[in-house]
Amino acid sequence: EADIYQTPRYLVIGTGKKITLECSQTMGHDKMYWYQQDPGMELHLIHYSYGVNSTEKGDLSSESTVSRIRTEHFPLTLESARPSHTSQYLCASTQGGDSPLHFGNGTRLTVT
Amino acid sequence: QKEVEQNSGPLSVPEGAIASLNCTYSDRGSQSFFWYRQYSGKSPELIMFIYSNGDKEDGRFTAQLNKASQYVSLLIRDSQPSDSATYLCAVNPGPNTGFQKLVFGTGTRLLVSP
Repeated sequence: EADIYQTPRYLVIGTGKKITLECSQTMGHDKMYWYQQDPGMELHLIHYSYGVNSTEKGDLSSESTVSRIRTEHFPLTLESARPSHTSQYLCASTQGGDSPLHFGNGTRLTVT
Repeated sequence: QKEVEQNSGPLSVPEGAIASLNCTYSDRGSQSFFWYRQYSGKSPELIMFIYSNGDKEDGRFTAQLNKASQYVSLLIRDSQPSDSATYLCAVNPGPNTGFQKLVFGTGTRLLVSP
């Protein structure tokens, strides 16, 4: 069983608030990812990291930012939430090579 | 044209039947291919991955890859109601260097009726 945790599981917040979505993994994986998924739609890569102090933007433009100060921790921050940010955010990690991508349980964000 | 295309379904099959899920991709250089299962409200979980042309079997699941035709499929034998979920096809468009920057399809919803 993959050990990757996301908090909070659900978040309802007002427009303009700053939020941080937490993602932690205990597997020592170097590679971590953030995906965004709207209901019935495909996953879109918004951020990824090769390792500590490495962050890259994904294919879908996002106003969020990420940091990777520790191997196990890959938080995502929205400085000023807007209704257009309402979505499910999925964090994932992998050892690389043939290893699968392990997903966390996701954070369902609603911005009112 | 989307990079990874799947029929959204739903694909309805009776219990015990074979379910066949298909996926096409646009990047001819893609080298690794994955099938994930996602239950409603849950996160995706890996079912299978395949790198080489041909078939790869794991229990009731068989992945099939045809790079010349740019399609990958998933067969589920002896389908069970618990198999009812959305199946996501994912493609790594880069070389198989170990960094998985997957592109996902929208998924096919499978309904298995008792």
